[in-house]
Amino acid sequence: DGGITQSPKYLFRKEGQNVTLSCEQNLNHDAMYWYRQDPGQGLRLIYYSQIVNDFQKGDIAEGYSVSREKKESFPLTVTSAQKNPTAFYLCASSASGSGTDTQYFGPGTRLTVL
Amino acid sequence: GQQVMQIPQYQHVQEGEDFTTYCNSSTTLSNIQWYKQRPGGHPVFLIQLVKSGEVKKQKRLTFQFGEAKKNSSLHITATQTTDVGTYFCGLTGNNRKLIWGLGTSLAVNP
Repeated sequence: DGGITQSPKYLFRKEGQNVTLSCEQNLNHDAMYWYRQDPGQGLRLIYYSQIVNDFQKGDIAEGYSVSREKKESFPLTVTSAQKNPTAFYLCASSASGSGTDTQYFGPGTRLTVL
Repeated sequence: GQQVMQIPQYQHVQEGEDFTTYCNSSTTLSNIQWYKQRPGGHPVFLIQLVKSGEVKKQKRLTFQFGEAKKNSSLHITATQTTDVGTYFCGLTGNNRKLIWGLGTSLAVNP
């Protein structure tokens, strides 16, 4: 069964703590993406990676970090420097990094920072 | 840089009424994609349009790409409660980067 998995579905953290969100895909896609979604704000790109061991900042990278050590995995760390971390986080992948490729999304992680 | 406007932001209809959302770009596009996100869910790919003036249909959904390749529309005929969700357009310009519209949230009264 191919697809993208994100865990956990809901995550609660105290202010000041770093938290890592998991994203795994078995679609053999080269490119992976992290988006943040807030009500009424659409999909905002945090980071993306077109190949293993390489990644680029998106539009709102401040306060976040990523790694891409394996093709299948693209974890996102929300650091204590992120001022408003409470949001819905979506991971996606595509065959290549081209904007013409279809993006496949995971189910998302809803992060609440208390 | 490339800018995208998606309108309306919200639409409330009675079941059976039609619905249309529009995506407009400031620059010529190479292609456009449409996605649907159900409440509490994640975006799911619906369709991709590539050719100028292209029209594609999926049951009650009709997708159009403008002749100038700067705009697109998604039209739903006779909405049903299963159509509820947010519809996003994703636009790709000559720089091959995907830019997302803010989405149109559709509510359907039974």
